[in-house]
Order: sequence, then C-alpha cells, then structure tokens
Amino acid sequence: QKEVEQDPGPLSVPEGAIVSLNCTYSNSAFQYFMWYRQYSRKGPELLMYTYSSGNKEDGRFTAQVDKSSKYISLFIRDSQPSDSATYLCAVGENDYKLSFGAGTTVTVRA
Amino acid sequence: GAGVSQSPSNKVTEKGKDVELRCDPISGHTALYWYRQRLGQGLEFLIYFQGNSAPDKSGLPSDRFSAERTGESVSTLTIQRTQQEDSAVYLCASSRTGFGSPLHFGNGTRLTVT
Repeated sequence: QKEVEQDPGPLSVPEGAIVSLNCTYSNSAFQYFMWYRQYSRKGPELLMYTYSSGNKEDGRFTAQVDKSSKYISLFIRDSQPSDSATYLCAVGENDYKLSFGAGTTVTVRA
Repeated sequence: GAGVSQSPSNKVTEKGKDVELRCDPISGHTALYWYRQRLGQGLEFLIYFQGNSAPDKSGLPSDRFSAERTGESVSTLTIQRTQQEDSAVYLCASSRTGFGSPLHFGNGTRLTVT
C-alpha cells in the first residue's frame, strides 16, 4: 500500500468553478500536511502547509485535514486558467522526509 | 540568485555512463534535499543535508547513487553506471532550517538514459 494515494485525474473545470482535490494516507504518525503546485517543467511550489486537523484558508485556497480519517483536501474557489497545473499533496512525520502523492493534473477552461 | 538553481536542465546519457547533477541552494538555507520524480509518480525522497550533521541517505535507491554537499552551499548528486530506470526528473530543494520551514524547489534536471 502506498503511503499517500492521490487521484491523478486529469480534472477539467470551467473558469470560476470550485476545484476539489484530495489525498488519503496510511500512517497515523504523519503530522505535517502540505499542498504543492507544479507547472509544466517547473519545480513544485508550496501552496499550503498545516500540522493540525481542521481548515486553513489563504485567499482562494482552503486546505482541510481530517486526521481521524487520514484524509486531506484542497479547495480552489473561483478557479482561473492560471490555476491549471499539477497539484501534489505531501505528508510526513517530519517536514523533510515527505511522502508525496502522484499529483492531480487540473485544467481550468477559459 | 533568488531561487534554487539546478544544472544541467536536461541531460541525455548512454546506459552505463556516470552523470553528475548540480544544485545551488538559496543563500542562507541550511537544509538541502534531493528528490526524484518519475513520470506519473510522486516525488521520491533521496537524501537530506542539514548543516554539518551527517546526511540522511536512507532514500538513495542503490550504491550507484551518491551525493555530496560543500558546507552549506552547492550539492552534487552523482549516478554511476546509469540504467534506463534512472530516467526521471531530479529535483533539489532547500529550506531555511530542516524543521518547520517550507521547501523551495529548483526546476529540476531531466535525465534521460538511452
């Protein structure tokens, strides 16, 4: 069983829609939860970072963590074509030896 | 520079040859990481350097892989006797400290072994 499972998509939505992404993980010891965005042929860039259950909001982005279900989510409101990218979830017991999901490719259609 | 710099951006090599990949971290970042990203797969942890501590090499897939870091600056990842399964994007990241700070990634080196 992989440590982190993420639906690879692809996901295609119209501009303005809400994008919903999620990952499940297997190790209850994981306490760091991150979402990265990766544009084609670029390195991943950190979007959201949390170490507790609950919601964290930053502009159009909301990250949710449910440790009891080992489930994390990322929501993008009012999606824009510039949000088209691959989104990677990452979890870890410590924040250097992270386990990454395979990534979900998102396309926002203008 | 403002970000993590990696070179070369692309490398094509023949099976059996050695390759060396370079990473220049963000100035002042004490922690440096190497990850591997295969097509359609998540990032795979390879090695972690933090200051003068012994590196965590637990992610290196075989003894053909090695990495060095000079002080708190440049790092090189060396793959000896490359195999086709080594084809991937090799990503370097740095952070201000090794604990509680976000990772800043370079754009990677795309390695193709023919």
